[in-house]
Amino acid sequence: DSGVTQTPKHLITATGQRVTLRCSPRSGDLSVYWYQQSLDQGLQFLIQYYNGEERAKGNILERFSAQQFPDLHSELNLSSLELGDSALYFCASSVEAGGVADTQYFGPGTRLTVL
Amino acid sequence: AQKITQTQPGMFVQEKEAVTLDCTYDTSDQSYGLFWYKQPSSGEMIFLIYQGSYDEQNATEGRYSLNFQKARKSANLVISASQLGDSAMYFCAMREEAGGTSYGKLTFGQGTILTVHP
Repeated sequence: DSGVTQTPKHLITATGQRVTLRCSPRSGDLSVYWYQQSLDQGLQFLIQYYNGEERAKGNILERFSAQQFPDLHSELNLSSLELGDSALYFCASSVEAGGVADTQYFGPGTRLTVL
Repeated sequence: AQKITQTQPGMFVQEKEAVTLDCTYDTSDQSYGLFWYKQPSSGEMIFLIYQGSYDEQNATEGRYSLNFQKARKSANLVISASQLGDSAMYFCAMREEAGGTSYGKLTFGQGTILTVHP
């Protein structure tokens, strides 16, 4: 158990819908990262938050948005869902913003299926 | 841009033997970190080992060691005394550590599926 929690574990929804994925980082970690894992794209970085502020952005679609709250938990919002958004979404956390030896620990993931 | 290449889609090893999973990387950064993660069939991503670009010694964590060859830009994972529970997908990943627009994010390879035979 990494100490990072993600809910829900599984999510099945229809095209055009909107969903929210939730992540609680390990105690003491200030950074939260979101990654998407799909068969065709592999593991891709979406976005990073550090202590409530957006720190880095990757290949995140405009239909997707995220935020980190004062208690440091984070939510990833996916809207106007398409079949291609079906994937395993990981949240990871680390103590710092990415310095030397700042290890990212991953949550169990949320498997999103868009029908 | 950073790039990670894992050229072995699948590897097989006999229980109790050692196995090496290959990883090569490409970066123009001077300061970077290399990571290996394990993903069992259950799906979670488990951190195994870290190597910093300025570390002079190869990293070791229990049965895992990282064969770091900076000039060749390779960071191979060695698993000694393989166990059945080592069967999983293994990912090599890289992160810039000196600041800049890609600071913090991990760039992953495509992964290697390891199967341990009894």
